[in-house]
Amino acid sequence: ETGVTQSPTHLIKTRGQQVTLRCSSQSGHNTVSWYQQALGQGPQFIFQYYREEENGRGNFPPRFSGLQFPNYSSELNVNALELDDSALYLCASSLLPPVATSTDTQYFGPGTRLTVL
Amino acid sequence: GESVGLHLPTLSVQEGDNSIINCAYSNSASDYFIWYKQESGKGPQFIIDIRSNMDKRQGQRVTVLLNKTVKHLSLQIAATQPGDSAVYFCAETTSYDKVIFGPGTSLSVIP
Repeated sequence: ETGVTQSPTHLIKTRGQQVTLRCSSQSGHNTVSWYQQALGQGPQFIFQYYREEENGRGNFPPRFSGLQFPNYSSELNVNALELDDSALYLCASSLLPPVATSTDTQYFGPGTRLTVL
Repeated sequence: GESVGLHLPTLSVQEGDNSIINCAYSNSASDYFIWYKQESGKGPQFIIDIRSNMDKRQGQRVTVLLNKTVKHLSLQIAATQPGDSAVYFCAETTSYDKVIFGPGTSLSVIP
């Protein structure tokens, strides 16, 4: 177990709706990254939050937004859901910058399976 | 765009044999590489990593080899077990930057 938790585990929405997914980081980690994983593909980077600020973004439209809270937990919000948004959404926590006894390796949660009908 | 890809999408091996999963990357600036294992219904699990100043790193039953000349990464699993059956992803990153995943290789272990 990585200590990264996500909620909910499964979610069904309809087109046009909005969704909020949640992630709790591993203890001691200050950085959260979100990924979208379509069926049969590798995870695609959405964005990363470091100390409550966005710290890099992948090729996703603005309707994908996020927040990081002072306790380093995070939310992913998706507005105006589309059918293609159906995927497994993964969050991963890490420690940046890495200290001597750690790496910047990301540890993943179990994901939230989002289905858009 | 830059990408990380795998040569073989599926791999079947006999229990007890060694497995080799290959990966090609295209960003010569990447300096950190990671292998992840993903079992059905779970998030990717860290297996082993390697920095670009190394060409080999060993863990428990796993070895990662990095050939920067040809931009190639491999994961070797010794004495493959049924519990090793999963999808394996290689991933690359430059320090503190986004992690780019390859498409994955499905490893199936035959008892």
